[in-house]
Amino acid sequence: GQNIDQPTEMTATEGAIVQINCTYQTSGFNGLFWYQQHAGEAPTFLSYNVLDGLEEKGRFSSFLSRSKGYSYLLLKELQMKDSASYLCAVPYGGATNKLIFGTGTLLAVQP
Amino acid sequence: DADVTQTPRNRITKTGKRIMLECSQTKGHDRMYWYRQDPGLGLRLIYYSFDVKDINKGEISDGYSVSRQAQAKFSLSLESAIPNQTALYFCATSDPDRGDNEQFFGPGTRLTVL
Repeated sequence: GQNIDQPTEMTATEGAIVQINCTYQTSGFNGLFWYQQHAGEAPTFLSYNVLDGLEEKGRFSSFLSRSKGYSYLLLKELQMKDSASYLCAVPYGGATNKLIFGTGTLLAVQP
Repeated sequence: DADVTQTPRNRITKTGKRIMLECSQTKGHDRMYWYRQDPGLGLRLIYYSFDVKDINKGEISDGYSVSRQAQAKFSLSLESAIPNQTALYFCATSDPDRGDNEQFFGPGTRLTVL
């Protein structure tokens, strides 16, 4: 079966760095997605990792270790607008491109 | 203009009523999905469709039905709404064959069943 675990909540300070972890169990790994979701709004795509290692995209970076079933999202130079839920998701069902989502990590950025 | 739109954005209805939520997209994607989101449970897949003639059940399809009227339109129906269907509903699209592996989400419909 498929399972995803993320911390429920995190708090960080404006200007700091925060790391949001995600562990997953899935058959037939086909990549891992990170989405950002502000309260009451649609999830928006942040990153997609297929290979091991760190991928950087501006202030946001995402890391993947397939052997450990582990990923993290790294947010640098935190801004107040980064306060949101961060969702980890993995495809399952082969080529169907269905996603199973974690319950999300609610990040609160404080001044 | 938004690529994925949903109507209505908010709806309050009563137990037993039939409700239809509509989703339209201008991205030209073949694949469309319906999810519901509940606090503490994350996004869960209700139905998905690969094209007009291909519709499949997701994790939690009981109590729901869908219609793919065209490539651009995918509707979700609640035949007889019940209070535990109160949730935030999202439509999404993707097209891995064109390189769009990620799913693009509509703005959501907040449904309350009294």
